[in-house]
Amino acid sequence: GAVVSQHPSWVICKSGTSVKIECRSLDFQATTMFWYRQFPKQSLMLMATSNEGSKATYEQGVEKDKFLINHASLTLSTLTVTSAHPEDSSFYICSARGTTPYEQYFGPGTRLTVT
Amino acid sequence: AQSVTQLGSHVSVSEGALVLLRCNYSSSVPPYLFWYVQYPNQGLQLLLKYTSAATLVKGINGFEAEFKKSETSFHLTKPSAHMSDAAEYFCAVSEYGNKLVFGAGTILRVKS
Repeated sequence: GAVVSQHPSWVICKSGTSVKIECRSLDFQATTMFWYRQFPKQSLMLMATSNEGSKATYEQGVEKDKFLINHASLTLSTLTVTSAHPEDSSFYICSARGTTPYEQYFGPGTRLTVT
Repeated sequence: AQSVTQLGSHVSVSEGALVLLRCNYSSSVPPYLFWYVQYPNQGLQLLLKYTSAATLVKGINGFEAEFKKSETSFHLTKPSAHMSDAAEYFCAVSEYGNKLVFGAGTILRVKS
């Protein structure tokens, strides 16, 4: 149980375009979802926390208008990278939390490359 | 604010040898502590967690960790390394079960 999927697993886009990444909890309802970013050979940095039906809470330094997060249902959250630039190239990982407050289940990640 | 320090960005052990990955944390409240493993180009898999119950926590794949409050440590160990253990390991802390703060990670190399 507690499976989280992400789609796509990798995407290449041109500079200036927007990209949407989906995060789904497949067998549980996720009241909270988290989005992380991981640069090569670095740790995960939390970008934002989203609760179903509410606006996302962004970490300091993360541009809200650039990284749009929507958590429209208890099983789906999306991250849209708007007007992507090469510096946005990274590995994006989502996690989902159900009823157990301290357990997060991680998706497999999405590799974004902006050319 | 909480933080995590992982000592040693790279650790190399021989197959069959003891694995010890170090993690020290800082937290203003009793923490929840976690160890995750990440294989290349994959997400994170939970190895084990400490949530204020037993201080010695056993996880998957033969790993265990001991919470030592006096030392603010949560080191990860495995008695005998296997080639399949080669991966990157992250220690993380959470206050009140909210957002996770990760350490920088330790890459474990297992030599045959």
